[in-house]
Amino acid sequence: QVQLVESGGGVVQPGRSLRLSCAASGFIFSSNAMHWVRQAPGKGLEWVAAISYDGSSKYSADSVKGRFTISRDNSKNTLYLQMNSLKVDDTAVYYCARELTHGYPHYWGHGTLVTVSS
Amino acid sequence: EIVLTQSPATLSLSPGERATLSCRASQSVSNYLAWYQQKPGQAPRLLIYDASSRATGIPARFSGSGSGTDFTLTISSLEPEDFAVYYCQQRYNLNTFGQGTKLEIK
Repeated sequence: QVQLVESGGGVVQPGRSLRLSCAASGFIFSSNAMHWVRQAPGKGLEWVAAISYDGSSKYSADSVKGRFTISRDNSKNTLYLQMNSLKVDDTAVYYCARELTHGYPHYWGHGTLVTVSS
Repeated sequence: EIVLTQSPATLSLSPGERATLSCRASQSVSNYLAWYQQKPGQAPRLLIYDASSRATGIPARFSGSGSGTDFTLTISSLEPEDFAVYYCQQRYNLNTFGQGTKLEIK
């Protein structure tokens, strides 16, 4: 079945960098666009970034533009989120999600927690 | 950025009652709107896409309506497992989520 497993979260100081990974299985990874969505503790969902099936198109929220970069390696069935210049407000659970042909994030991983704190 | 405003923030109802949740967009999103359900400690689950299409496996008691700037998620008869937080999301211009409506047991 479809599986999305995020990793790479942890505690990091403000201004530092972190790279998240999302390992995909159970479907043809190279056929689907993918998303990152985050959720601060006790708060709502915030869309972060998306990437097309082949990596040629990338989109990101204004709140992370210029700091976060989404990428993928279809040969490794893995999605990435490179997060630079981290801020305390970036503290959240980060979910990766698979977009289906209807254009919306449909299958979601369980998330990985990123805590930005000095 | 398109802002989605959900109302009410909290809705208190009893099992068997009808729930009506609202999502208003700051500008037209055509019908490019989805609804998600999230329970504590779980990832969101897609319920409705393109304003009114039910996702695979979603019970018929969930329905969506609306277009342009005003959208509604209706749960016709609440089951105990329906008490959760619900989010709307638009994909007309990038993606944004509403702030959520918590559906709690009265």
